[in-house]
This record gives sequence, structure tokens and C-alpha cells, in this order.
Amino acid sequence: EVQLVESGGGLVKPGGSLRLSCEVSGFTLISYNMNWIRQAPGRGLEWVSSIDSGSTYIYYTASLKGRVLTSRDNDKNSVFLQMNSLRAEDTAVYFCARERCSGGSCFFDHWGQGALVTVSS
Amino acid sequence: SYELTQPLSVSVALGQAAEITCGSNNIGSKNVHWYQQRPGQAPVLVMYNDDNRPSGIPERFSGSNSGNTATLTISGAQVGDEADYYCQLWDNDTGVFGGGTKLTVL
Repeated sequence: EVQLVESGGGLVKPGGSLRLSCEVSGFTLISYNMNWIRQAPGRGLEWVSSIDSGSTYIYYTASLKGRVLTSRDNDKNSVFLQMNSLRAEDTAVYFCARERCSGGSCFFDHWGQGALVTVSS
Repeated sequence: SYELTQPLSVSVALGQAAEITCGSNNIGSKNVHWYQQRPGQAPVLVMYNDDNRPSGIPERFSGSNSGNTATLTISGAQVGDEADYYCQLWDNDTGVFGGGTKLTVL
């Protein structure tokens, strides 16, 4: 069974940092690109970042570029999201999602349950 | 930046068909994916590449994409289909989601 489990969320002060982890099981991580997607309270989904299997191609949403860093450790079956200079508007549930590609496009076929990040003084 | 427009809400009578749209200029030239999110839960993929159902998704879910509108259709809507639905595509290596549509089954 494919599983993705996020951890590392919590309460952080504005300007602070946090590192989220996503530990996967039930599939071979190196075979997949992975993504982070967030959802602010009561709001819609917002794509945050993607990382390819070899960590060569890493992309970020414009609003977070320069403040986040996505990485992965395939041997440890984990993907990470380092977030710096956090702001109140970064408060959200952060999901990690597996990216599957078929028919010339890619989509998110498995999601974790999410980690809540609250930025507040 | 690429924007996807969804209606905030759609209501449907139990057992009737619901259509949820996702609009953008020439969206028909892209592959569109759809996710269902029930309250307090993670999103679930219900349609990929416009009109492909993942295994485990009921046949009453179907999709289409042409011109400036992609559509997710739920035929014979059930109470369990009440959820938020999001369309999604890729724009130059950047993921883009629609704002989401809340489906209410009356």
C-alpha cells in the first residue's frame, strides 16, 4: 500500500524556519517525482514545489521562491521542504504528493494527510 | 501566470447529473486533472488527462476538455460525492490549481 506521511509541522513565529518531512512507503521513491502542495485555512489548493527523482530539476511557485528549498533522500524514502522567513500567510496544511506520469502529462496520484504549519507570534 | 476559473459552488439533486467546469484560454490544448477533497481529508485524484478515471473511481465520474472549458461530470450524484473539486494542469513546469468548486447534493 502506498503511503505518504508528513511530519515537522507546528507553530512558528514570523521570520522563523521549519523543515517538513514526507516519508513514503509502498513504492520505490527514486522512480517518482514528488511535489509539495499547500492549503491555507478555508482556501483552495496551491502548488508549492516539485522535485524530480534525481534532484536535478526543482521548481517552486513564484510566491515562495527564495524562501523554500525542496530536497529528497531516496535512500531514506523521504522528501523535505525547508521553509525560511515564514510569514503569517504561509499558514497552511502542507501536503506531499506523488507525481505519476502517463499519456504525456503528470498528475498527483497519491497524497499524504498533510502537516499543519501555523505562523503566528 | 496561468489561471483556472471554477464556479464557487454547484448544487445538484440526488441522482441527477452535476457538471463542474474549469475555464481558461485554450485549456483544450492541455491535459487537465481533477481532484476531490472531502472535509478534513487529503485530495483524491478522480480524473486524469481530461477523461481518464483512476482505478477505484466510480463510472459515474467522467471528464471532457475542449476549447476554453474542461468539465467534470458526475452522473447520478450521490450524497457521498459532496466535496470540493479542483482542476489542475501544468504551465511550464509550474503546477496550477483552479480555485475549487463546492458540490452540494440536495
